[in-house]
This record gives sequence, C-alpha cells and structure tokens, in this order.
Amino acid sequence: AAGVIQSPRHLIKEKRETATLKCYPIPRHDTVYWYQQGPGQDPQFLISFYEKMQSDKGSIPDRFSAQQFSDYHSELNMSSLELGDSALYFCASSLEAGDTQYFGPGTRLTVL
Amino acid sequence: GQQLNQSPQSMFIQEGEDVSMNCTSSSIFNTWLWYKQEPGEGPVLLIALYKAGELTSNGRLTAQFGITRKDSFLNISASIPSDVGIYFCAGYTGANSKLTFGKGITLSVRP
Repeated sequence: AAGVIQSPRHLIKEKRETATLKCYPIPRHDTVYWYQQGPGQDPQFLISFYEKMQSDKGSIPDRFSAQQFSDYHSELNMSSLELGDSALYFCASSLEAGDTQYFGPGTRLTVL
Repeated sequence: GQQLNQSPQSMFIQEGEDVSMNCTSSSIFNTWLWYKQEPGEGPVLLIALYKAGELTSNGRLTAQFGITRKDSFLNISASIPSDVGIYFCAGYTGANSKLTFGKGITLSVRP
C-alpha cells in the first residue's frame, strides 16, 4: 500500500539558511500534519492542513511556514535556521481531520 | 493541556516473554493510537482504538480502549528481538485535530 512520502530524507544546512521540506500524503488523504521530534523526545505537533486550509497550529516558530497545495502535497518552509532546529521532521496524513494518522519516514535536518 | 503518561521510560524483557504497557491521562480521549518507532524512522501505526471498551488485536499485539476513556494498554505476547523499539501511545480528545503523544517506552528484548 502507498505510504506517506517525504523528501529529502536528509538535509544539512548552515545557520541562517532556509530549508524546504516536502510531504506527499497517502492517496485520497486530504489532511496533512507536520511534527518535529528532537533526540529522545516524542513528536511535537507543528501545524496541520485540511483541504488546503490551515486547520490547527501547534508550537511552530514564526520562522516556519507551511502550505498545502491543490494536489494535497505540503511543504514546510523554514527560514533563519538555528542550531536548535536540528531534528527529525515528520509528516503524517489522514483520510479526514482527526482520523488515524499515518506517518512518513521523516526528514533529518542538521543545522551546522 | 492534555497529557498522556507512559511509564516506565524503559523496559527490558527476555525473548518469549509477554509485556504490557499502559497509557493514562487525566483527560478523556475519544481515539487511542499505538505506534512503534525505530531509530531514525517514522512512527508506524500498530493499533487504532475508537470506542470505549474496545479490544483489538494485530498478530501478537492486543490493545484496549479503557472504559473510562482515560487510559489504554498495549500487550505484546511472546516477544521477539524485532519488537525492540519505542512504543508511543497517542490520542485525540476531539476538541481539534491535534494528536497528543505520550513520552514513549523504549523496549529492549534480550535473546
């Protein structure tokens, strides 16, 4: 069965650079969620989109923005990167908002 | 905000043993999800529970949605080395689409 696709899988950036993470949800899933997971931590919810509109917002820094496109894929844009932004970033998708979430393999972002 | 409590942080068992993990909250949840995560990978859904009292199995895994809607447990029977990983409980309260996660339990299985 098709799963959530994330790209890139690994990304290395310098401080103050920008990064764009992409997420392709499971076909027919119209809700996308973004999470940040630091070492030894549980995933922390950042933001979600339902039918291309932002539906919920968590602990997402103002330096980050995200959107969902007409084909339901989503992009997380991160600017003015800081060392503390180094983490695993996961995208998840669900059939509808509040439904069971299926996670992608993640993007490991390293900020040097 | 809502919190899900998982303890202990780590569990060590012998191959072939059964293990049970609890997840509790002071808030009511209307969906409980159990995920397993291996290092550097995304959480993989193990079992989803949608109704209070629901008992669901997936192979050697069994999970139950507590009748009070404030807890859930996951049982793994006849553990094998590939059961090693971090087990997270997660849930929805229904107030929004945010999924709340527990801190996870790291399971080690000795051959």
